[in-house]
Amino acid sequence: QVQLQQWGAGLLKPSETLSLTCAVYGGSFSGYYWSWIRQPPGKGLEWIGEINDSGGANYNPSLKSRVTISVDTSKNQFSLNLTSVTAADTAVYYCARGSYSYNAMDVWGQGTTVTVSS
Amino acid sequence: QSALTQPASVSGSSGQSITISCTGTSSDVGGYNFVSWYQQHPGNAPKLMIYEVTNRPSGVCNRFSGSKSGNTATLTISGLQAEDEADYYCNSYTSSSTLVFGTGTKVTVL
Repeated sequence: QVQLQQWGAGLLKPSETLSLTCAVYGGSFSGYYWSWIRQPPGKGLEWIGEINDSGGANYNPSLKSRVTISVDTSKNQFSLNLTSVTAADTAVYYCARGSYSYNAMDVWGQGTTVTVSS
Repeated sequence: QSALTQPASVSGSSGQSITISCTGTSSDVGGYNFVSWYQQHPGNAPKLMIYEVTNRPSGVCNRFSGSKSGNTATLTISGLQAEDEADYYCNSYTSSSTLVFGTGTKVTVL
């Protein structure tokens, strides 16, 4: 049973960089794409971006200038960096596995709450 | 990119059928059969319910079904049950090689 375990700093100050990591346990890392999604308090889901196991990435145009998603295949992990955070970046951040068989995100991490406050 | 449009809320009595619409454009929903639907209970991560417009992953109840016409995709829940009360989000691939979620729909079982 594939599981995604994510972690990272939960409290940031404005202008700092958000860094989260997601590890894949119990399944293959190759042959899938790996995504980050966020959900502000009381609001809907927002797709942040994705990366494949070869390192090719796509990002939400509204966040592209501040986002980097990277992959470490040796550790079966992928990471999210979001620079120059503001209060608007306060959200629950989820990592997810994208399946080419489903063309959808079929396994999700537990979510990490990130709060940006001075 | 703009979020896909969903009704904010839909309700139905136990045993009834409800539908949730997801309206986009020819650059996303209408242009590709890569529409998926996710169920999210409060405090939990989303769960994949439908992929590629009409398909159910293994383990998802057959009371859930999907369809698409033009730029609008639809999720139907038949035989509504108490455990179906949750938020539902559609998602689509776009012509910019990105993904976009819908605005979300809260389903209430009366």
